Amino acid sequence: EDQVTQSPEALRLQEGESSSLNCSYTVSGLRGLFWYRQDPGKGPEFLFTLYSAGEEKEKERLKATLTKKESFLHITAPKPEDSATYLCAAKPISGGYNKLIFGAGTRLAVHP
Amino acid sequence: GAVVSQHPSRVICKSGTSVKIECRSLDFQATTMFWYRQFPKQSLMLMATSNEGSKATYEQGVEKDKFLINHASLTLSTLTVTSAHPEDSSFYICSASGTGSGNEQFFGPGTRLTVL
Repeated sequence: EDQVTQSPEALRLQEGESSSLNCSYTVSGLRGLFWYRQDPGKGPEFLFTLYSAGEEKEKERLKATLTKKESFLHITAPKPEDSATYLCAAKPISGGYNKLIFGAGTRLAVHP
Repeated sequence: GAVVSQHPSRVICKSGTSVKIECRSLDFQATTMFWYRQFPKQSLMLMATSNEGSKATYEQGVEKDKFLINHASLTLSTLTVTSAHPEDSSFYICSASGTGSGNEQFFGPGTRLTVL
């Protein structure tokens, strides 16, 4: 069964304290790995797509990396405005061309 | 990035009534739209996938007669919750993908449904 697991469930950081969020995936074949940011009461906001092991993408203080079993979202020198829930999702080869399997998310709180 | 809107953002209704939620892709043609449900502090659960002009494909455990989905055009999909009950209260989010979105899924802002 296709599955995506994120850890930790919640993370509290001081402003400027870098850290990484983990996304482990088990899918029959990976078409793509996606990261989204979700603020309370809002829909997810697209951040990155990764397609193959070894690929990296960066946007401001965020960098996403991908291996054959997991993906990491690295947050460098976070600011309070980075506080949100970060969701990762895997797009498997089976089950429909655009279907995404979501993890439960990591709730990040950055304190000044 | 591609923009997806939802309307209404919040709705409160009485038990037994039906509620319609609209999802629109504003700047691209959405060949596929998805409807998700999200409970507090939980992730998104896919309810159904719809392709323009076709019947929706529902995920296991989702009642197709209760959650009616229509995707009549390349920019509009609707979800109708029929005979709503308090257990249907949730955050409903749509997403869309298609030409102009790079085949990525872009999400709407969500609709908070409260059934009294």
